Amino acid sequence: SQQGEEDPQALSIQEGENATMNCSYKTSINNLQWYRQNSGRGLVHLILIRSNEREKHSGRLRVTLDTSKKSSSLLITASRAADTASYFCATRGLTGGGNKLTFGTGTQLKVEL
Amino acid sequence: GAGVSQSPRYKVAKRGQDVALRCDPISGHVSLFWYQQALGQGPEFLTYFQNEAQLDKSGLPSDRFFAERPEGSVSTLKIQRTQQEDSAVYLCASQKGGLSTEAFFGQGTRLTVV
Repeated sequence: SQQGEEDPQALSIQEGENATMNCSYKTSINNLQWYRQNSGRGLVHLILIRSNEREKHSGRLRVTLDTSKKSSSLLITASRAADTASYFCATRGLTGGGNKLTFGTGTQLKVEL
Repeated sequence: GAGVSQSPRYKVAKRGQDVALRCDPISGHVSLFWYQQALGQGPEFLTYFQNEAQLDKSGLPSDRFFAERPEGSVSTLKIQRTQQEDSAVYLCASQKGGLSTEAFFGQGTRLTVV
């Protein structure tokens, strides 16, 4: 079953704008990861944030994690048409059988020229 | 190879037919995972191998699904007596090991059962 939900389900913005996606999950985690998926390239890892981290940056990406609220957000700044894709958060549980990734339902992002 | 390779990319099977899906992980990656992704949904976990040992198969939906990784490298996901509800994209992922490492995904096999 899916770990949680992503919000919004779909997002349409203009090139150059920022895009924010939110993810909520249900159980305690070791880390949370964000992946991008488009039809041409499959699932691509974007960024990993550990449970003891609150914020992480990678290029135009900024991820926050609030373990007390069991939520995370992904911010893409200065979006480009090439950012058009589905974005998924995925959580990895604690030790003892937690090696699998549990994915959210995804946000479909469309960046228009 | 440079990445995780899956074959075939597309498979059309008649209901009741057996299928075998292949995954070639990145060389040296200890962990291998299979996921099933239905249209418009996130991937759902099927099974996990560490080297040749299948440590978690809790996500396999029925006993028609079977996975193996006999030499700790290439893995095969077999589905017997396919049903229409098996239609999905089957994704394979590998990682070096450990909880805090990223998983690398193949492009998947799209299975359509008619």
